[in-house]
Amino acid sequence: DIQMTQSPSTLSASVGDRVTITCRASQTISNYLAWYQQKPGKAPKFLIYKASTLESGVPSRFSGSGSGTDFTLTISSLQPDDFATYYCQQYYTYPLAFGGGTKVEIK
Amino acid sequence: QVQLVESGGGVVQPGRSLRISCAAAGFTFSRYAMHWVRQAPGEGLEWVAASSADGTKKYYADSVKGRFSISKDSLRDTLHLQMNSLRADDTALYYCVREQLGETFDYWGQGTQVTVSS
Repeated sequence: DIQMTQSPSTLSASVGDRVTITCRASQTISNYLAWYQQKPGKAPKFLIYKASTLESGVPSRFSGSGSGTDFTLTISSLQPDDFATYYCQQYYTYPLAFGGGTKVEIK
Repeated sequence: QVQLVESGGGVVQPGRSLRISCAAAGFTFSRYAMHWVRQAPGEGLEWVAASSADGTKKYYADSVKGRFSISKDSLRDTLHLQMNSLRADDTALYYCVREQLGETFDYWGQGTQVTVSS
């Protein structure tokens, strides 16, 4: 089974900062990587698929990159609405798997 | 608009069974694969099970294989998860999710809480 590892687990940042979250797969997943954002008490929101393609309606300050085993999610200028937990997910093969999450906190 | 409404959660004793359901609306249910994803209290997301659009192909996480069964009723636009031999570590909020663009999840319900406790 493919394991997904995210780092860091927690990140403290300020409004306006550039933020980068890393996701690593235990074996190659090509570009079958998605990102989700979850706020407390809410269901996750779909952000990015195919490692770098933004879902409709997602602000352009979000971007994704990577292929193979190493991926990143970047927020170019952190906004107050972006403080949340972010999860990566591989969909290269079953069983599907999520990373452990990265919580973006206010510094 | 797309709506996914879960129901059937509750408190159940270890070893017992429970069936949770998800009523879908706002899209052609029979054309979409559907999944269950769970989240234990204070923890991350865990994929649980998937059903193909026509209900003929089913996939399960190792942690639930042999105990859980997913089914898709396209006449009633409802997704079910039959959970048997429940354990304390099955305690979680269970989300019903719609698949699109490969096995990615574009719509999520609000979840139904399942608590396994004696």
